[in-house]
Amino acid sequence: GESVGLHLPTLSVQEGDNSIINCAYSNSASDYFIWYKQESGKGPQFIIDIRSNMDKRQGQRVTVLLNKTVKHLSLQIAATQPGDSAVYFCAEFWGSNYKLTFGKGTLLTVNP
Amino acid sequence: EAGVAQSPRYKIIEKRQSVAFWCNPISGHATLYWYQQILGQGPKLLIQFQNNGVVDDSQLPKDRFSAERLKGVDSTLKIQPAKLEDSAVYLCASGGSMNTEAFFGQGTRLTVV
Repeated sequence: GESVGLHLPTLSVQEGDNSIINCAYSNSASDYFIWYKQESGKGPQFIIDIRSNMDKRQGQRVTVLLNKTVKHLSLQIAATQPGDSAVYFCAEFWGSNYKLTFGKGTLLTVNP
Repeated sequence: EAGVAQSPRYKIIEKRQSVAFWCNPISGHATLYWYQQILGQGPKLLIQFQNNGVVDDSQLPKDRFSAERLKGVDSTLKIQPAKLEDSAVYLCASGGSMNTEAFFGQGTRLTVV
C-alpha cells in the first residue's frame, strides 16, 4: 500500500527564499525516488530523481537529498519564485514490479 | 518529443453509466500506468502495464473497472457502471521501462452526478 508520506501538508514562503519540502518513506528496499510538481489542472511534472546509491543530486535550482538511514527525502528549491507555487509529491518505486507510489503531497505557496 | 496524450479532458456522466478514457504514451515507452487522483490526494495507482501485459492491478476495482493495452501501445480504461465516488482525475503515465522516470499526461477529469 501507500508508504510514502510528507511531514508538512502546506508550506508558505516569500519570493526569493529557499524552500525545503520533506518526505518520509517506509519501504527500505526502495531504490529509486522521484519528485513531481503538480499545478492546478495539470498532470504531475517530473522535477528530479535520485537512486539509492546516491545521497544528493542537483538540478537547476533544485536539490534532492536522500537519507537512507532514516528513510527521508527532501527537495530544496533555491530562490523560490511565484511559478514554483504548486503541490509537490515524492514518489517511490518499490516491489518486484517497481510499483510507483505517491505520498499525500505538500502545497507550496510563494508570496510575492 | 510528444508527451503522453489523454482524452477526453473532461467528462460528466450520470451514475450507473459507463465511460472510457484513452491514453497514448510516449513513443517507445514500454511501461504504462493508470492512476486515480481524488481532489486533495496523491495519485493512486490503479494498473500498471509492461508492454501489453499487466504487472500490477492490485488496486483496480475489478468489478467495475477494466483496462487494456492492445499491441502494447495505446491503452483504454473503462468504468462500468460508474459510482459517485469515481469522480476524480484519471492520469495516465508512461516510462521507458520499469524503474525509470514516469511522465504524465494532463489527465481526464471525471464527474459522476
